Amino acid sequence: DTAVSQTPKYLVTQMGNDKSIKCEQNLGHDTMYWYKQDSKKFLKIMFSYNNKELIINETVPNRFSPKSPDKAHLNLHINSLELGDSAVYFCASSQEQGRAETQYFGPGTRLLVL
Amino acid sequence: GDSVTQMEGPVTLSEEAFLTINCTYTATGYPSLFWYVQYPGEGLQLLLKATKADDKGSNKGFEATYRKETTSFHLEKGSVQVSDSAVYFCALRGGYQKVTFGTGTKLQVIP
Repeated sequence: DTAVSQTPKYLVTQMGNDKSIKCEQNLGHDTMYWYKQDSKKFLKIMFSYNNKELIINETVPNRFSPKSPDKAHLNLHINSLELGDSAVYFCASSQEQGRAETQYFGPGTRLLVL
Repeated sequence: GDSVTQMEGPVTLSEEAFLTINCTYTATGYPSLFWYVQYPGEGLQLLLKATKADDKGSNKGFEATYRKETTSFHLEKGSVQVSDSAVYFCALRGGYQKVTFGTGTKLQVIP
């Protein structure tokens, strides 16, 4: 069983379109995250939710909107896609353990905007 | 704010060579330190961690020691294998609910 799953795995779309990426975790964790990894492998946190409540919202264009229907799911909706949005998007989850907590990552969604 | 600096790659080694990937950090307070590994086409996974000064994290032959005096957490392995080829990320978690990752170091091991 996959602990953190994401769909779709690949997403190719045109500039200006709206798309969503879904994430689910079956680990019973309280906290979920979205990260963006660029072509140089640099990993940047975008959002974090704890028990469906937004707790981290980094400087991300408001075209990106996360939604957490329950604590096992965190979806990412992107409006008006731009070329610079092309990247790999990773979902992750963790159980709050203070500073020692481990994050569990999904396999990533490879987004290509043409 | 918190930051992590790790050596730039790629690092190319022959099988059975000794590996060191340097990592230094800047943080307030007493962060926990982590190494994550990303194999090609996959998400990151925890390799090892240390939660306080002088702790040594170890897993799969990899080791790293939390050195507060030098603010470092260098990753080492005595004998690398081709299957260790991956991107390695040093990371820290301080008092805020956010993990700060380094830029990643790509390791390529050739037979």
